[in-house]
Amino acid sequence: AQSVTQPDIHITVSEGASLELRCNYSYGATPYLFWYVQSPGQGLQLLLKYFSGDTLVQGIKGFEAEFKRSQSSFNLRKPSVHWSDAAEYFCAVGADTDKLIFGTGTRLQVFP
Amino acid sequence: KAGVTQTPRYLIKTRGQQVTLSCSPISGHRSVSWYQQTPGQGLQFLFEYFSETQRNKGNFPGRFSGRQFSNSRSEMNVSTLELGDSALYLCASSLGQGTGNEQFFGPGTRLTVL
Repeated sequence: AQSVTQPDIHITVSEGASLELRCNYSYGATPYLFWYVQSPGQGLQLLLKYFSGDTLVQGIKGFEAEFKRSQSSFNLRKPSVHWSDAAEYFCAVGADTDKLIFGTGTRLQVFP
Repeated sequence: KAGVTQTPRYLIKTRGQQVTLSCSPISGHRSVSWYQQTPGQGLQFLFEYFSETQRNKGNFPGRFSGRQFSNSRSEMNVSTLELGDSALYLCASSLGQGTGNEQFFGPGTRLTVL
């Protein structure tokens, strides 16, 4: 069955520290992979996406993610977190005309 | 360019009632997808419409239905509301059908069922 796992429900980091949010997926073929961010009371905003090609993907707001086929992972990283990055982050997978499947999300808290 | 708009933003209903939510996609976008977001189940796909036709459907009961108009605006309807239908309902639009097209999300409609 197709699924997405985000093992960390809640992560707390200090401002300026590095960040890595984990995402593992189960899918029949190489899927399209996405990271979205949701601030309180807001809809989802796309941070970055992977369809094919270079496995290191750059996104908005200084985020990047690396697709590792052997580990079925697509972890999100940022070298230095800002207080405004506090939000909930969702990993999602899909393919072609298929629907998007979301992980359960990771809530990021940033301490000054 | 205006983003995806959803109306109303907040809604309170009682069990047994029905509700209609509206979504206006970004101009030029022909695909609209609907998602339900709850603390317990997370984000779950409801359905996708493209060119007025339902192209994909999630695992929700028949009480959940939708439609898309010729101008790509979409509505979703929930009949015989249950307490468990309380959720944030998100609409997303994209140029084309399927996940290969970037989806732009609206702010959502917060539905509370009492």
